[in-house]
Amino acid sequence: AQSVTQLGSHVSVSEGALVLLRCNYSSSVPPYLFWYVQYPNQGLQLLLKYTTGATLVKGINGFEAEFKKSETSFHLTKPSAHMSDAAEYFCAVTRSGGYNKLIFGAGTRLAVHP
Amino acid sequence: EPEVTQTPSHQVTQMGQEVILHCVPISNHLYFYWYRQILGQKVEFLVSFYNNEISEKSEIFDDQFSVERPDGSNFTLKIRSTKLEDSAMYFCASRLQGEETQYFGPGTRLLVL
Repeated sequence: AQSVTQLGSHVSVSEGALVLLRCNYSSSVPPYLFWYVQYPNQGLQLLLKYTTGATLVKGINGFEAEFKKSETSFHLTKPSAHMSDAAEYFCAVTRSGGYNKLIFGAGTRLAVHP
Repeated sequence: EPEVTQTPSHQVTQMGQEVILHCVPISNHLYFYWYRQILGQKVEFLVSFYNNEISEKSEIFDDQFSVERPDGSNFTLKIRSTKLEDSAMYFCASRLQGEETQYFGPGTRLLVL
């Protein structure tokens, strides 16, 4: 079975500060990992994903995440927060093959203040 | 850029009524999904659909739920007799064969009174 834990349901940062959103996963098979962002009253938009290959993946809007197998983590970072980054962020896991249902974490709401 | 669309954006219904939520997946995608998000909770998988049949479903997806692809473009979720606890945001998603990324629609917010 697969599962995702996101530490911190709410994170608040100042504009220009580092953003770090934590995600740990559990998977008995090699995972595919995703970060999605949800802006208010909108659907889920893919930020970035890890499947195979390079463990540091870059996504849209300056975000990146690093897959660390030894730590079963896939934390999301951005060097400098912008007001427009305020949203809810979801980490998700699936596996290769099969019908690939996504298992989501509980989400982290990011607030960015001036 | 192609996107998944969902209608209606909001639906209010009385308990016990049937609702049908509509989705138009991206045109060349072959795998389809429904998820739901109860307010304040995580996004949960309901069902996946491929080759005109359900490929996997969660324990949430009981006999009150059904999915259908009535034509080449639509993908619907039916709830036969809604309950208060069915109130949630329902997301449709689709993906290409051989591709792992699921593309989500904007959701339908269902409120059961």
